[in-house]
Amino acid sequence: SQKIEQNSEALNIQEGKTATLTCNYTNYSPAYLQWYRQDPGRGPVFLLLIRENEKEKRKERLKVTFDTTLKQSLFHITASQPADSATYLCALENYGQNFVFGPGTRLSVLP
Amino acid sequence: GAVVSQHPSRVICKSGTSVKIECRSLDFQATTMFWYRQFPKQSLMLMATSNEGSKATYEQGVEKDKFLINHASLTLSTLTVTSAHPEDSSFYICSASRGQGAETQYFGPGTRLLVL
Repeated sequence: SQKIEQNSEALNIQEGKTATLTCNYTNYSPAYLQWYRQDPGRGPVFLLLIRENEKEKRKERLKVTFDTTLKQSLFHITASQPADSATYLCALENYGQNFVFGPGTRLSVLP
Repeated sequence: GAVVSQHPSRVICKSGTSVKIECRSLDFQATTMFWYRQFPKQSLMLMATSNEGSKATYEQGVEKDKFLINHASLTLSTLTVTSAHPEDSSFYICSASRGQGAETQYFGPGTRLLVL
């Protein structure tokens, strides 16, 4: 069966450290994968897209990797700040028709 | 650019009534709009995909007669929850993309529905 998992429901890290979030999938073959940020009571906000032929993508303090062999994407936030506290969702492209979202990881950056 | 609005932001209604939620793309034309539902501490579940001028495609398990979707223009899609019941209480979020198969979705702020 198809499944998307994100490493943990919640992740606490100290300010200034690097947060690493994981997205693993089974029985999907996404041409690309996206990461979104969602704050409580708000809609998701797009952060990064990475294609199946790209190993790594960066945007300011964010870095995403995509390993189609492992069927895994890693999302890193370097020099994390309390303002980075939110839920982070990965989303897989689904046969060009829509997107399937993972359950999310709630990140808390502690001052 | 790429702003999507939803109205209302929150609504409380009595059981048995119908509620309409609007989703608008403010500064771009959205060929495709998506409707999601999100229960507390859960991820977004796609309900349906709508393309302007055609019938919506509903995901398995979503009743199309209960969740009526109209995508009448390139900037507006509406979701009507008919004969709402308490179990329909949820956070409804729409998103819009610039074209079919477009890679990036732009999400609205969501609508909190509470059915009493």
